[in-house]
Amino acid sequence: DAGVIQSPRHEVTEMGQEVTLRCKLISGHNSLFWYRQTMMRGLELLIYFNNNVPIDDSGMPEDRFSAKMPNASFSTLKIQPSEPRDSAVYFCASSPTGGAGEAFFGQGTRLTVV
Amino acid sequence: RKEVEQDPGPFNVPEGATVAFNCTYSNSASQSFFWYRQDCRKEPKLLMSVYSSGNEDGRFTAQLNRASQYISLLIRDSKLSDSATYLCVVLGGSQGNLIFGKGTKLSVKP
Repeated sequence: DAGVIQSPRHEVTEMGQEVTLRCKLISGHNSLFWYRQTMMRGLELLIYFNNNVPIDDSGMPEDRFSAKMPNASFSTLKIQPSEPRDSAVYFCASSPTGGAGEAFFGQGTRLTVV
Repeated sequence: RKEVEQDPGPFNVPEGATVAFNCTYSNSASQSFFWYRQDCRKEPKLLMSVYSSGNEDGRFTAQLNRASQYISLLIRDSKLSDSATYLCVVLGGSQGNLIFGKGTKLSVKP
């Protein structure tokens, strides 16, 4: 298995543009986490899915952010419209046991909004 | 109070030193605890789980103190390759989401 795959690895966009980040889970995993990491705030949980259902989205900053799991192996995180303060590294992670086990991270998407 | 708190460091130690990190958590109902390691510009990876009785993996020892709600990680005989950021992680409540501390940066010098 190739592990959790995120795309793109790097994204530079202008303020106001829509950004879509993608994540492919490890086959058989049923939990999916989206995190955002900055120097100031560390690794923040944005949203957590279990069996394709959003369980906790309290970390989503505002309505500009949305996340979906159209199927058991794929997720998207969309920011519309993007703002410079959204610049961060966005990680997707999956886990096989409802979050109780090890979380496997993708390599992250480094987003820069100018 | 933040859910998971760690001293950000940096801890600068010479090779061969013993270094210890502590982490406190706010939710007394938390059941599972972990230490993750994150290298510069890389993704976090699981280092070890933390069990109630304490556990050891080579040079690394993790301990849990439920009464005081803190977790520790001890690294003996530090290597240059141990330089990284160490993240304390708590399984949050009944939702199953993993809550990360901000991490403690370790730099091992020759």
